[in-house]
Amino acid sequence: ELKVEQNPLFLSMQEGKNYTIYCNYSTTSDRLYWYRQDPGKSLESLFVLLSNGAVKQEGRLMASLDTKARLSTLHITAAVHDLSATYFCAVEGSARQLTFGSGTQLTVLP
Amino acid sequence: DGGITQSPKYLFRKEGQNVTLSCEQNLNHDAMYWYRQDPGQGLRLIYYSQIVNDFQKGDIAEGYSVSREKKESFPLTVTSAQKNPTAFYLCASSPRQTLFTDTQYFGPGTRLTVL
Repeated sequence: ELKVEQNPLFLSMQEGKNYTIYCNYSTTSDRLYWYRQDPGKSLESLFVLLSNGAVKQEGRLMASLDTKARLSTLHITAAVHDLSATYFCAVEGSARQLTFGSGTQLTVLP
Repeated sequence: DGGITQSPKYLFRKEGQNVTLSCEQNLNHDAMYWYRQDPGQGLRLIYYSQIVNDFQKGDIAEGYSVSREKKESFPLTVTSAQKNPTAFYLCASSPRQTLFTDTQYFGPGTRLTVL
């Protein structure tokens, strides 16, 4: 059974600071996704990581994937208030179904 | 515009009632999925369908049923056997097979509350 663990679950950070969210998963998979969810809203796709060593960047967010270590990271650079949201990683199974982590609730403080 | 629609946005159910949540997509995707989200938690897979007239149970299928009679539609019925149905339900779709960087697309969700 595929298990996905994210940490931390809660993260408060000051504007302008850097931080990293970690996503570990238990079985082999070559596809990992990062999503953002605002309160009461649906999920917005951020990154699709398809292979070992993949790195994607969009604005202040950068995601990477190490399939050998079964680890993905989401790095936040110089955080701003607009990044406050819950971030989920999800790992894809054989039928393209996703197994999600519990999410990281990020609050960026002024 | 292509996308996924879910209805209703909010749904209230009395105990013992069955209710059906609608999910429609015009993305021409083969695969569709239903997830449940409880407060402060991640999403859990209820059912998925890779092709018309075929579907499989996910991790928490008990108390739910689905049908896939049309490619664009994947309704979810929450039966009275589901003891804790209050949650946020999200429908998603994706191409069945792809070599490209394609993600799952999510609908806006239905918030179900049992009275």
